[in-house]
Amino acid sequence: QSVLTQPPSLSGAPGQRVTISCTGRSSNIGAGFDVHWYQQLLGTAPKLLIYGNNNRPSGVPDRFSGSKSGTSASLAITGLQAEDEADYYCQSYDHSLSGYVFGSGTKVTVL
Amino acid sequence: QIQLVQSGAEVKKPGASVKVSCKPSGYTFTTSGITWVRQAPGQGLEWMGWISGYNGNADYAQNLQARLTLTTDTSTSTAYMELRSLTSDDTAVYYCARATSSNAGFHYDYWGQGTLVTVSS
Repeated sequence: QSVLTQPPSLSGAPGQRVTISCTGRSSNIGAGFDVHWYQQLLGTAPKLLIYGNNNRPSGVPDRFSGSKSGTSASLAITGLQAEDEADYYCQSYDHSLSGYVFGSGTKVTVL
Repeated sequence: QIQLVQSGAEVKKPGASVKVSCKPSGYTFTTSGITWVRQAPGQGLEWMGWISGYNGNADYAQNLQARLTLTTDTSTSTAYMELRSLTSDDTAVYYCARATSSNAGFHYDYWGQGTLVTVSS
């Protein structure tokens, strides 16, 4: 069971906005550690989507945005597109575990 | 361009060990660390550990520490992950990724293609 909790699944129609939550605790997100987000298309390696809470690597569309507050973080996808159908994972550091942790993952379905 | 190329799929018997290699290119090996992540069939991502490309210092996930060894060979710019005493629960795709520091922590900006390790009698 992951220490970073995400909703198992979300769905939206093309063009809609979806927001994925990542709920942590005082030993990880709440301790000030950065949150990063990854997109994993079916059968492929994860891809970095957001780093340092709200920064997009070069080439990632600005439809993707990240935020962090308290012990939680969120990834927003605006203008949902068919190619956004994937699994999404948050990631941070947990000092009680002395290691990095991933969220439980959220499957986004485009209706 | 930056790439990380991993060794091929492995089939092992319970109790055996497996060693997976990861060879980055497109950047200086000693300037970044390598992290290892695994994904069991139909499951999420699990952080296994990290090793410095500069001095070989490594950190391990607590639940794998007794069975896992991460190493590097700077002469060939290659990172290795060795997992011992395999059980069926270790059947997974194993990924290496470059670890890049942010303000408070590391993120993984380039990933290998993954190596499927199957543990079966």
